[in-house]
Amino acid sequence: ETGVTQSPTHLIKTRGQQVTLRCSSQSGHNTVSWYQQALGQGPQFIFQYYREEENGRGNFPPRFSGLQFPNYSSELNVNALELDDSALYLCASSLGASGYSSYNEQFFGPGTRLTVL
Amino acid sequence: DQQVKQNSPSLSVQEGRISILNCDYTNSMFDYFLWYKKYPAEGPTFLISISSIKDKNEDGRFTVFLNKSAKHLSLHIVPSQPGDSAVYFCAAIRLQKLVFGQGTRLTINP
Repeated sequence: ETGVTQSPTHLIKTRGQQVTLRCSSQSGHNTVSWYQQALGQGPQFIFQYYREEENGRGNFPPRFSGLQFPNYSSELNVNALELDDSALYLCASSLGASGYSSYNEQFFGPGTRLTVL
Repeated sequence: DQQVKQNSPSLSVQEGRISILNCDYTNSMFDYFLWYKKYPAEGPTFLISISSIKDKNEDGRFTVFLNKSAKHLSLHIVPSQPGDSAVYFCAAIRLQKLVFGQGTRLTINP
């Protein structure tokens, strides 16, 4: 049983560019959530995908978009990068999108550190 | 608008003593709360949770207390061990959205 993996580990982009971050879910998990963690802050919910459909979204602009694939891996895309997008991006996978106890079994990846210059 | 707040950025405790981490929230509609632990270069890992219908949940050395009238929860770790040194986040759920606090860095001193 593999854990949640994310790629790349680190990334440096310039303002205005686009970036794609990838997440491979824990085996058997069908739900993935993405979070942005700015320096010194807690993770902020971006959105969640359940069986390839968006299942909830936080207060992030449309230039943050995502995809979940049939194998339940996922991508986070950010267009028109801004300096404030510099952060650690975390994905987390779980089984099922309903019921709070599913969050007890939500596993996080190590994150992708994005720096926007 | 910080709906979940951890007002202590850091806490230092002696090994073997009790560690108490605090968390306040503003939204009375939150109905499930969790604590996570995070080591450097790793993602947060789930520690313990509590439903809003309970006021205490215990799991080994970890106990979470919920005071709904005060909109306050706390995590007690006893006895504290060196491996407990990490950043701790409290989080609350409403409508499938997980809202995190800013985190408290706990250091256990030998």
